[in-house]
Amino acid sequence: KAGVTQTPRYLIKTRGQQVTLSCSPISGHRSVSWYQQTPGQGLQFLFEYFSETQRNKGNFPGRFSGRQFSNSRSEMNVSTLELGDSALYLCASSFRGRTGGTGELFFGEGSRLTVL
Amino acid sequence: QKEVEQNSGPLSVPEGAIASLNCTYSDRVSQSFFWYRQYSGKSPELIMSIYSNGDKEDGRFTAQLNKASQYVSLLIRDSQPSDSATYLCAVNRGYSTLTFGKGTMLLVSP
Repeated sequence: KAGVTQTPRYLIKTRGQQVTLSCSPISGHRSVSWYQQTPGQGLQFLFEYFSETQRNKGNFPGRFSGRQFSNSRSEMNVSTLELGDSALYLCASSFRGRTGGTGELFFGEGSRLTVL
Repeated sequence: QKEVEQNSGPLSVPEGAIASLNCTYSDRVSQSFFWYRQYSGKSPELIMSIYSNGDKEDGRFTAQLNKASQYVSLLIRDSQPSDSATYLCAVNRGYSTLTFGKGTMLLVSP
């Protein structure tokens, strides 16, 4: 069974640009969540989707947005990039989700974003 | 007060010893708790989940939960150099959303 796939793995952008990151969950997993990981702040929750609906959102500015498609694939977008957005962005999928949730997350390898 | 707190370490133990990793959380309504392991340059992977007070054992790993004290721990018996990694404690915030601690780095020396 293929794992969570994230693309691109590495990217370099400049301040003010925007970026779109993609995530394909494990087959059969309908919940997809996104996390930002930095050395100073650790892993911070961005948002979580189930059946194309955002169910939870972390404490990030509106420049961070996401969506989920009918095939459960997800994208996140960061607009007007700032230097502080440099981080590893991790996508995770989980199996259950409609009536509750599970913290048993399966992470992708991440997309490492560098903002210059 | 931070939602999930862990000692950043590093925690250094010799091979074969028991490594004890600790975590406290602030939200009393939390019901689900997890330990993830993250090797350097890799993504986190789930190693233990615990939902009820008491101990849960899986191989060399034992998770302990005390909801009254808002405390979760992970014991690794017979520690191996391959256990050297950062261990992340996580608390479920609802649905499939987790709040993570910043992690404890474990170093197991041969």
